[in-house]
Amino acid sequence: GENVEQHPSTLSVQEGDSAVIKCTYSDSASNYFPWYKQELGKGPQLIIDIRSNVGEKKDQRIAVTLNKTAKHFSLHITETQPEDSAVYFCAAPTSGTYKYIFGTGTRLKVLA
Amino acid sequence: DAGVIQSPRHEVTEMGQEVTLRCKPISGHNSLFWYRQTMMRGLELLIYFNNNVPIDDSGMPEDRFSAKMPNASFSTLKIQPSEPRDSAVYFCASMTGGGQPQHFGDGTRLSIL
Repeated sequence: GENVEQHPSTLSVQEGDSAVIKCTYSDSASNYFPWYKQELGKGPQLIIDIRSNVGEKKDQRIAVTLNKTAKHFSLHITETQPEDSAVYFCAAPTSGTYKYIFGTGTRLKVLA
Repeated sequence: DAGVIQSPRHEVTEMGQEVTLRCKPISGHNSLFWYRQTMMRGLELLIYFNNNVPIDDSGMPEDRFSAKMPNASFSTLKIQPSEPRDSAVYFCASMTGGGQPQHFGDGTRLSIL
């Protein structure tokens, strides 16, 4: 079955710097990769996703890159702001099902 | 557009009591998921439904846990009897179909004393 590994578990950056979170997956048939942001007391919220037919997708300060050969995908946040502080999760589908396997999360702290 | 709605937001009860968590998925979404989140184990899938039918309940920890989806707009997760180790945040999520994102509710924070 699918296995997703996420690194780092915690990340502290100065406001204005960039943050990068990396995930690897095991199921080569996986073709859709969402990223979620979870703020305190809230459920995970989708912030960006990428499909296997593209290598990169951007949405303002957020971008996701995908390397299908290496089976890894990354979240990039540029010009970080204090409100970016949260826990971020990557996910990958288990082929043949509607299940997603979630990474263990990255706690991002943006220091003002 | 209303998102996934869960109730109650918080539940505190004594060990041995029955607990019922409720979820209303986004209208038109065919799949519904129940997750449990703890610091130790992260986000765990308990069960998911497709078109109101339970498809995979392999994540349900034991027989004390049960879930139902009587119609497309409502699902329950029941714990009977509850134990302190069941304390966690329980999330419900829904999605339209494969290859689409799951949309999460804001969860129920459950504390079993």
